[in-house]
Amino acid sequence: AQSVTQPDIHITVSEGASLELRCNYSYGATPYLFWYVQSPGQGLQLLLKYFSGDTLVQGIKGFEAEFKRSQSSFNLRKPSVHWSDAAEYFCAVGAKAGTAPIFGKGTTLSVSS
Amino acid sequence: DGGITQSPKYLFRKEGQNVTLSCEQNLNHDAMYWYRQDPGQGLRLIYYSQIVNDFQKGDIAEGYSVSREKKESFPLTVTSAQKNPTAFYLCASSSGRVTEAFFGQGTRLTVV
Repeated sequence: AQSVTQPDIHITVSEGASLELRCNYSYGATPYLFWYVQSPGQGLQLLLKYFSGDTLVQGIKGFEAEFKRSQSSFNLRKPSVHWSDAAEYFCAVGAKAGTAPIFGKGTTLSVSS
Repeated sequence: DGGITQSPKYLFRKEGQNVTLSCEQNLNHDAMYWYRQDPGQGLRLIYYSQIVNDFQKGDIAEGYSVSREKKESFPLTVTSAQKNPTAFYLCASSSGRVTEAFFGQGTRLTVV
């Protein structure tokens, strides 16, 4: 069965420090992978996506993610975190035809000054 | 602007009452989804629909019902059979092929 695991429930990073959020997936075929961000009480906003091609993908707000097939991972990174990045982050495996996207349980990011 | 509109943003209902959450999209997307979000549990799929007049149960469909009479609309009814309905509900849509899902701003339902 398809699944997405985000091993870290909560991460605290100092402002200006680098960030890496982990995501592991289980999928029977080539995965379509996404990272979303959610501010409290809001919907989810797409940060970036991977369908095929270059395994390092760039997204909005200075985020990037790297697809590693051998590790079944799609980790999200940012070189320098800003206080406004504090939010909840979700990794997702995209839907193939006839199915719905599957989400991880999320990682809450706190940014300390 | 194209997007997904969920209404209302906040909803309060008494226990035992049915309540319907609205979701409308003007993105011309074929697929629409309903997710429930509870703290620490991520997004759990309630129902999804790939085309008009067709929908499938997700992982936690018990106590919920949906309809898809129009491409633009996918309302969710939370029935009195849902044992713990207080939650944040998110509606999303996608083009129906393997693309990203776009989300509405959510409806927070509180049952007292």
